[in-house]
Amino acid sequence: EAGVAQSPRYKIIEKRQSVAFWCNPISGHATLYWYQQILGQGPKLLIQFQNNGVVDDSQLPKDRFSAERLKGVDSTLKIQPAKLEDSAVYLCASSSILVSEQFFGPGTRLTVL
Amino acid sequence: DAKTTQPTSMDCAEGRAANLPCNHSTISGNEYVYWYRQIHSQGPQYIIHGLKNNETNEMASLIITEDRKSSTLILPHATLRDTAVYYCIRLGSARQLTFGSGTQLTVLP
Repeated sequence: EAGVAQSPRYKIIEKRQSVAFWCNPISGHATLYWYQQILGQGPKLLIQFQNNGVVDDSQLPKDRFSAERLKGVDSTLKIQPAKLEDSAVYLCASSSILVSEQFFGPGTRLTVL
Repeated sequence: DAKTTQPTSMDCAEGRAANLPCNHSTISGNEYVYWYRQIHSQGPQYIIHGLKNNETNEMASLIITEDRKSSTLILPHATLRDTAVYYCIRLGSARQLTFGSGTQLTVLP
């Protein structure tokens, strides 16, 4: 079974630039999550999708972050414009309806200069 | 608010059992205890979960106290590849993981 795929693995941008991350969940997983992990901290949930609908985006900084999952499969997370404090690893995870175990991708490490 | 308390770091000798404690004194009756680990530069990996009873799988054992206020994750024969940050998480009906800072387990040769 293929795992959760994310790209790119690394990204370096300057502040005020835009960036987008892509996630392909495990086939058949209806629920998709985006997390932000700042160095030295545990991951923090940004947004949760069920199929192509948003379940929870209460911790997503909506003035600069956006996410979509148009066909209920792949998802993109965008930051526009980026700030220095957005430097972090962005993790995507997915889970099925039947079990609560979340499977995580390898993450995208973002550095904002 | 992670709502669990774990030691910041622990060491364990290779081949010995690693016992990682977690305090969750305010856990609700419908909340499960989940354990994940995160090896350096990788995404978190599910280990095990439980509600009331002790659980065991191919990776670890989970011992939950009778009052459910604390639990212990046991890696029976730790290897160098078990060096990671271990997270103890309470999971309710919303099925959302709230990670704390976890315990950095270092397995020593």
